[in-house]
Amino acid sequence: KAGVTQTPRYLIKTRGQQVTLSCSPISGHRSVSWYQQTPGQGLQFLFEYFSETQRNKGNFPGRFSGRQFSNSRSEMNVSTLELGDSALYLCASSQAMGQGYGYTFGSGTRLTVV
Amino acid sequence: TQLLEQSPQFLSIQEGENLTVYCNSSSVFSSLQWYRQEPGEGPVLLVTVVTGGEVKKLKRLTFQFGDARKDSSLHITAAQPGDTGLYLCAGARGKLIFGQGTELSVKP
Repeated sequence: KAGVTQTPRYLIKTRGQQVTLSCSPISGHRSVSWYQQTPGQGLQFLFEYFSETQRNKGNFPGRFSGRQFSNSRSEMNVSTLELGDSALYLCASSQAMGQGYGYTFGSGTRLTVV
Repeated sequence: TQLLEQSPQFLSIQEGENLTVYCNSSSVFSSLQWYRQEPGEGPVLLVTVVTGGEVKKLKRLTFQFGDARKDSSLHITAAQPGDTGLYLCAGARGKLIFGQGTELSVKP
């Protein structure tokens, strides 16, 4: 059974540019969440999608956006990149939303903004 | 302000020692999960606890959910170098909220 696939694994972008990250969940998983991980802030919740609808959103500026497609694949977009956006971006999938459902994480996309 | 406080933040012990990691909050969670993350990889789910007072065992790892569902602990017996990694607790309140993590290093 394939795991959660995130592409690309590494990315270097220039300040001001925009970036799109991709996440393919485990087959049958309909919930996809995105997290930003930095040494100082740890894992911070960005948003969660279920059945193509954003169900929860974290405290990030509007430059961070996402979407989910009918096949549950998800993309995350960051516009007007800032140096502080450098982080490991993790995607996690789950069978459904709600308590008790564990999340399976991908290996992440390491974004460096220069 | 961190909703979930983990302690200690760093732990360096010798192989064979026991250790406990704590995850505390003033808020109630519907469930709490523990993950382990290795460098360059995403977190891997170890366990989910749902009921207050619940205890779950995974080989040498024992997880406990507080009676009031506000705190949890992870106890490792006879730690091995393979246990080295970042241990994260995460509480479910509509979304998953993570603690800052405990960096564990087990030396042979």
